Amino acid sequence: EVQLVETGGGLVQPGRSLRLSCAASGFTFDEYAMHWVRQAPGKGLEWVSGISWNRGTIAYADSVKGRFTISRDNAGNSLYLQMNSLRPEDTALYYCSKAEEAAATAPPDSWGQGTLVTVSS
Amino acid sequence: QSVLAQTPSASGTPGQRVTISCSGSSSNIGINYVYWYQQLPETAPKVLIYRNRERPSGVPDRFSGSKSGTSASLAISGLRSEDEADYYCAVWDDSLSGWVFGGGTKLTVL
Repeated sequence: EVQLVETGGGLVQPGRSLRLSCAASGFTFDEYAMHWVRQAPGKGLEWVSGISWNRGTIAYADSVKGRFTISRDNAGNSLYLQMNSLRPEDTALYYCSKAEEAAATAPPDSWGQGTLVTVSS
Repeated sequence: QSVLAQTPSASGTPGQRVTISCSGSSSNIGINYVYWYQQLPETAPKVLIYRNRERPSGVPDRFSGSKSGTSASLAISGLRSEDEADYYCAVWDDSLSGWVFGGGTKLTVL
């Protein structure tokens, strides 16, 4: 069974940084792309970033490009999201998700329970 | 405003058939597979329909997906109270080089 456990969320001031982590188990991590998807309180889903199995393809939503960096550690079965220059509009529940296939263009097909990031002074 | 347009809300009574639509463009729905996600209250989303019309194992055949041109639809027949949830369409957008989600449709079972 696929298990994805996100950690690292919390309250942070605007302009500061935060690093999210996702521990994956129950599947062969290095055979699948991974994504981060967020959901602001009471709002819909927004794709944030995706990374292919071998880090060869990385994509970002325009709203986070230049501020967020996705990375993965295949040996440690972990996914990360480094978030810099945080803004109040980045406040959301951040989901780690496994993709359907190895390419970053493959859609999310399994989701963690999310970690909440609140950006406020 | 989302790249994919979904009606914000839909409703029906138990046993009825409901259709949720998702409108996109030639850079997304027009050329790529559409996926549908169901998000029950206070839970993570789950895949309901993949590659336009395929159902993962465990998803009842009351749920069906279709695509025509730059639009896609999710139909739910034999509506049940447990179908009350938010539904999202999603597709890869070649112009944006990223995934886009519809704004979501909140389904209420009356």
